[in-house]
Amino acid sequence: KQEVTQIPAALSVPEGENLVLNCSFTDSAIYNLQWFRQDPGKGLTSLLLIQSSQREQTSGRLNASLDKSSGRSTLYIAASQPGDSATYLCAVRPAGGTSYGKLTFGQGTILTVHP
Amino acid sequence: DTAVSQTPKYLVTQMGNDKSIKCEQNLGHDTMYWYKQDSKKFLKIMFSYNNKELIINETVPNRFSPKSPDKAHLNLHINSLELGDSAVYFCASSQAGQNQPQHFGDGTRLSIL
Repeated sequence: KQEVTQIPAALSVPEGENLVLNCSFTDSAIYNLQWFRQDPGKGLTSLLLIQSSQREQTSGRLNASLDKSSGRSTLYIAASQPGDSATYLCAVRPAGGTSYGKLTFGQGTILTVHP
Repeated sequence: DTAVSQTPKYLVTQMGNDKSIKCEQNLGHDTMYWYKQDSKKFLKIMFSYNNKELIINETVPNRFSPKSPDKAHLNLHINSLELGDSAVYFCASSQAGQNQPQHFGDGTRLSIL
């Protein structure tokens, strides 16, 4: 059974810092890993999707890496801003089965960036 | 220009009642999902539909009955609501395919009194 763990559970940093969020998963048989952002009272916004054959993806100040064999992914946020404050979730798409697959989520990292 | 929209946003009701949550997507996707986010913030898949057909049912009690009248809609009906059903329910959609990202609605917060 796939399990996804995110560390740390919460992180508070001053504005301008670079930071790293961690995600680990127990079963390396995945199609992809997706990072989401969730703002309070809102749905999930997809940030980056890394396919199993890829090592990293970048979007603006965000960079996500994937080491499938060791079951790890990191989300790197450069020059953090107060607007980055949110809960960050990682989710894996298990390989096999149908192609209409479910995502298995971690519990999230609550990020607070203070001015 | 809302991509995945759910109604209502909030739902407060008594134990034992029956209620429905509606979901619509205008992204042209052929696959839709329902997820439940519990009080500990864990998101778990409940159902997945592709082209109006049920694909995934993650051992959800049969008090929960999804209905997909067409590819753009996936509604969730819940009978005999229980206290443990209190949660935030998210609808999502994607194109079928291994590496298609899922797009989420803003969620419906269900509170059972």
